[in-house]
Amino acid sequence: GAVVSQHPSRVICKSGTSVKIECRSLDFQATTMFWYRQFPKQSLMLMATSNEGSKATYEQGVEKDKFLINHASLTLSTLTVTSAHPEDSSFYICSARDTFRVGFSYEQYFGPGTRLTVT
Amino acid sequence: SQKIEQNSEALNIQEGKTATLTCNYTNYSPAYLQWYRQDPGRGPVFLLLIRENEKEKRKERLKVTFDTTLKQSLFHITASQPADSATYLCALDKAGNNRKLIWGLGTSLAVNP
Repeated sequence: GAVVSQHPSRVICKSGTSVKIECRSLDFQATTMFWYRQFPKQSLMLMATSNEGSKATYEQGVEKDKFLINHASLTLSTLTVTSAHPEDSSFYICSARDTFRVGFSYEQYFGPGTRLTVT
Repeated sequence: SQKIEQNSEALNIQEGKTATLTCNYTNYSPAYLQWYRQDPGRGPVFLLLIRENEKEKRKERLKVTFDTTLKQSLFHITASQPADSATYLCALDKAGNNRKLIWGLGTSLAVNP
């Protein structure tokens, strides 16, 4: 149980275009999902917290107009990188908590990640 | 500022030995501490969670200790196997409405056959 999927796993796009990444909780519902980015040999950096039915909460220094987050249902959150530039190339990972489970615990379940390369 | 430190250097051990990884933190009072495993090019996988009022937690060959006085957690893998080779991340969780995890850089473990 507690499986999170991400799509696509890899994407290459040209500078100036937009890319959408989907994050789905497959066997549980999540009111909250998290979006991270990770550069090589660095730790996870939280970009934003995605809340179902409301606006995302962005971390300091993350441009909300550039990284658009939509959490339209309890099983789906999307991250759109708008007008992508080479410096946006990174590994993007989403995670979710199973907030409705009885005896709920606070671990996060991560997707497999999306490798974005902007040329 | 809040800081989490994990063994910065890679840990190399022989198969069958016990691997011990360290997570130290400062300027923080976590309600929970979590350990994750991350393989190259993959998202982290949850391993164990320990609460501030727990001293030790076990799961199969894994053991986590949590010393809130020392502000330290130790993560042990007994009877280590080459398949245990990965990066292990420590994350702190503060109870409350803002449920963000604070992440360490991770420690790379290599178990040699």
